[in-house]
Amino acid sequence: DIQMTQSPSSLSASVGDRVTITCRASQGIRTYLNWYQQKPGKAPRFLIYAASTLQSGVPSRFSGSGSGTDFTLTISSLQPEDFATYFCQQSYSSPVTFGQGTRLDIK
Amino acid sequence: QVQLVQSGAEMKKPGASVKVSCKTSGYTFTYFYLHWVRQAPGQGLEWMGWFNPNSGDTNYAQNFQGRVTMTRDMSTNTAYMELSRLGSDDTAVYYCARDALQWQLHYYFDYWGQGSLVTVSS
Repeated sequence: DIQMTQSPSSLSASVGDRVTITCRASQGIRTYLNWYQQKPGKAPRFLIYAASTLQSGVPSRFSGSGSGTDFTLTISSLQPEDFATYFCQQSYSSPVTFGQGTRLDIK
Repeated sequence: QVQLVQSGAEMKKPGASVKVSCKTSGYTFTYFYLHWVRQAPGQGLEWMGWFNPNSGDTNYAQNFQGRVTMTRDMSTNTAYMELSRLGSDDTAVYYCARDALQWQLHYYFDYWGQGSLVTVSS
């Protein structure tokens, strides 16, 4: 199985900050990388697919990049509603696997 | 609008089985694969397998083979996931999630159910 490792595991930031979350795959996955946001007690919300394509309705302050083994999710200017946990997920091979999550808290 | 509405919380004893439902609406049920993903308390996400509502075909993650069964009722556009021989480590929120592109497996999930908490305790 492909292991997905996110860093950092947690992050404190302020409204208006630019933040970057990293996701590393244990082997090359081309651009088969997706990102989700999850708030406490809620289902994950789909943000980005194919490493950099924004799902419809997702604000443009979210962006993704990377290919191969190293990927990033960037939020250009944090808004109050962005404080949540973020997961990466590889869809290159079955079984699909997720990163352990990055919790983004208000500083 | 697309909706996936799951059944409520369940409390089960070790060794029992649980069956979670996922009622879909707002799209053609047979056009999109459905996946099941679980999340243990305070933990990450674990994919359990996919189900093709059109053909009834399934593919289960190795961790669950022999214990999980995914089915559907086409008259109500509802998918089901049954997990047997429950242990305490099966305590989790179970989600159904729709594959994002119709007719194909892309293994990323655009709509999710609200989750069903299954608690396994003696």
